Amino acid sequence: DQQVKQNSPSLSVQEGRISILNCDYTNSMFDYFLWYKKYPAEGPTFLISISSIKDKNEDGRFTVFLNKSAKHLSLHIVPSQPGDSAVYFCAASAQEYGNKLVFGAGTILRVKS
Amino acid sequence: GAGVSQTPSNKVTEKGKYVELRCDPISGHTALYWYRQSLGQGPEFLIYFQGTGAADDSGLPNDRFFAVRPEGSVSTLKIQRTERGDSAVYLCASSSRGGVRGNEQFFGPGTRLTVL
Repeated sequence: DQQVKQNSPSLSVQEGRISILNCDYTNSMFDYFLWYKKYPAEGPTFLISISSIKDKNEDGRFTVFLNKSAKHLSLHIVPSQPGDSAVYFCAASAQEYGNKLVFGAGTILRVKS
Repeated sequence: GAGVSQTPSNKVTEKGKYVELRCDPISGHTALYWYRQSLGQGPEFLIYFQGTGAADDSGLPNDRFFAVRPEGSVSTLKIQRTERGDSAVYLCASSSRGGVRGNEQFFGPGTRLTVL
């Protein structure tokens, strides 16, 4: 039972345009969400997070939006750059479950120059 | 400063053998996590240490898997009687404090385990 789903296996975007990566979750106990970025042969790198008490968090070119009623979050990258090409993982955690992160399957982002 | 390191980077073994995977967390990080990532999937939680003790081992798939962190720093993941289904990338992560929201986990590059 996949509790965190990233339904788009891949996304291709032109340099300078907006990249929107989506993530859905099923467990209403999740109250903290994170996005990680992964290059080949490297471990995931933390990008940005959001608590369930917020609906938006922004950090430079990266913004995460949370819609609790829809159990949906998205990561916006503006403007997209070729160096953003990587696999992006959505992850969730719940106070009741301690510190374990539940990850989605990832979305491969390709930014074309 | 140094990040999380994992050794070996690659491990090829035969079915039925025993393997050990090592993780060196970021210095001073008290919390350490092991995840497993199979092809085409996201990382899957295995076990979490706070200091020397396993605070949550609910993700270990069966009793062939065991992990230790005897001095609260380096951790070793041990897999007995390996099976082909154990083939995956094993990721280690650490954070400066466990149990605190917003305390992000920093990942190592992983060990790619292949069981023939």
